[in-house]
Amino acid sequence: GAGVSQSPRYKVAKRGQDVALRCDPISGHVSLFWYQQALGQGPEFLTYFQNEAQLDKSGLPSDRFFAERPEGSVSTLKIQRTQQEDSAVYLCASSPRTSSYEQYFGPGTRLTVT
Amino acid sequence: EDQVTQSPEALRLQEGESSSLNCSYTVSGLRGLFWYRQDPGKGPEFLFTLYSAGEEKEKERLKATLTKKESFLHITAPKPEDSATYLCAVQAGSSNTGKLIFGQGTTLQVKP
Repeated sequence: GAGVSQSPRYKVAKRGQDVALRCDPISGHVSLFWYQQALGQGPEFLTYFQNEAQLDKSGLPSDRFFAERPEGSVSTLKIQRTQQEDSAVYLCASSPRTSSYEQYFGPGTRLTVT
Repeated sequence: EDQVTQSPEALRLQEGESSSLNCSYTVSGLRGLFWYRQDPGKGPEFLFTLYSAGEEKEKERLKATLTKKESFLHITAPKPEDSATYLCAVQAGSSNTGKLIFGQGTTLQVKP
């Protein structure tokens, strides 16, 4: 079956530009997570949605980062006024349950800010 | 503070040479410990979930075990296709959202 998909796979942005990253979770999955992965590091949690409700945004590094999931399926991570330190791979994961248990990851979007 | 540390950072093995990867964790009430495999340019691929000390799970050449302080991923007679980065993650009891706290990973290279 179809897994988690993300688009674009690669994004190059000039410093100061806004970007939008899309995540299509597995159909029917209630939980959706965004993680940020720097080169050579493990993923770091950014934010969590249960259906359309954003229940945890404690990992968002600044108010330039904004995420939404308006209809409880597709999610968008938006970064305003990108900075070089935002360069990373952004991973989306979904899970069929509302808490705990395994998460299924998409391929990620590699963002490079020049 | 909840924390996960993996060792070694990198491991080179000859094909058929068995070894173990370590994941040490400090967490306020463990709800689950997860092992993932990540190939270059791809997202993490789920391998195992362990919930309590003493639990073991196996899949092909991989076996994961759990104690109260650490987890091991044992690789028996590895093949070149086992080369990847292996990530360990925990879910803390203090979290009711399911967020995972990852270690930095162990990059495994298996030479033929």
